[in-house]
Amino acid sequence: QVQLVQSGTEVRKPGSSVKVSCKASGGTFNSYTINWVRQTPEQGLEWMGRSVPIFERSFYAPKFQGRVTITADESTRTAYMELTGLRSDDTAIYYCAKGGAASGTWFDAWGQGTLVTVSS
Amino acid sequence: DIVMTQSPDSLAVSLGERATINCKSSQSILYSSTNKNYLAWYQQKPGQPPKLLIYWASTRESGVPDRFSGSGSGTDFTLTISSLQAEDVAVYYCQQYYTTLYSFGQGTKLEIK
Repeated sequence: QVQLVQSGTEVRKPGSSVKVSCKASGGTFNSYTINWVRQTPEQGLEWMGRSVPIFERSFYAPKFQGRVTITADESTRTAYMELTGLRSDDTAIYYCAKGGAASGTWFDAWGQGTLVTVSS
Repeated sequence: DIVMTQSPDSLAVSLGERATINCKSSQSILYSSTNKNYLAWYQQKPGQPPKLLIYWASTRESGVPDRFSGSGSGTDFTLTISSLQAEDVAVYYCQQYYTTLYSFGQGTKLEIK
């Protein structure tokens, strides 16, 4: 049973960046993908991208391409999501979520969420 | 991009009664070579992350009570709670994984009447 634990609440100013971590326990780290999903009242749940540790590659939703970087460190079983050029509408709860190794997958484990507030 | 649209946006059902939530995709999410519908359902309670209930449109995740069931194919799907319990109050989301640009429905808020 995979469990995901995320880093804590962040407050950032517009134009800055934020890096959220997601530590996995249980399972074989490179046998699944770590996805990042954010939630806002306006947009609901939005998939941002995923890391595929076994291929050491990441894939991003076009909306976030160029602003988001998703990485995974197999030695520490930790995935990271960095978002740059923050705007007020990036204020959201950011979740990491475990997906299967296949490219089409559901998410069967979620982190507890990290609130990121962007405000001047 | 595949757009997922749920109906209704909110729903109030009496305890013990059936609750039905609909999800429609903007294109078919039935993959012909596998004959599987690439759809999942989640439950989200306040202050918690979403929890997986169903995948492949109708396969219940381990540990999910059998009062939850999923049905449908192609573009139209349904989540049914056969006998509503108080702990089922939550927001429910559908998600397509037919394309790797995953997308979710806007959510349906389920309350007790």
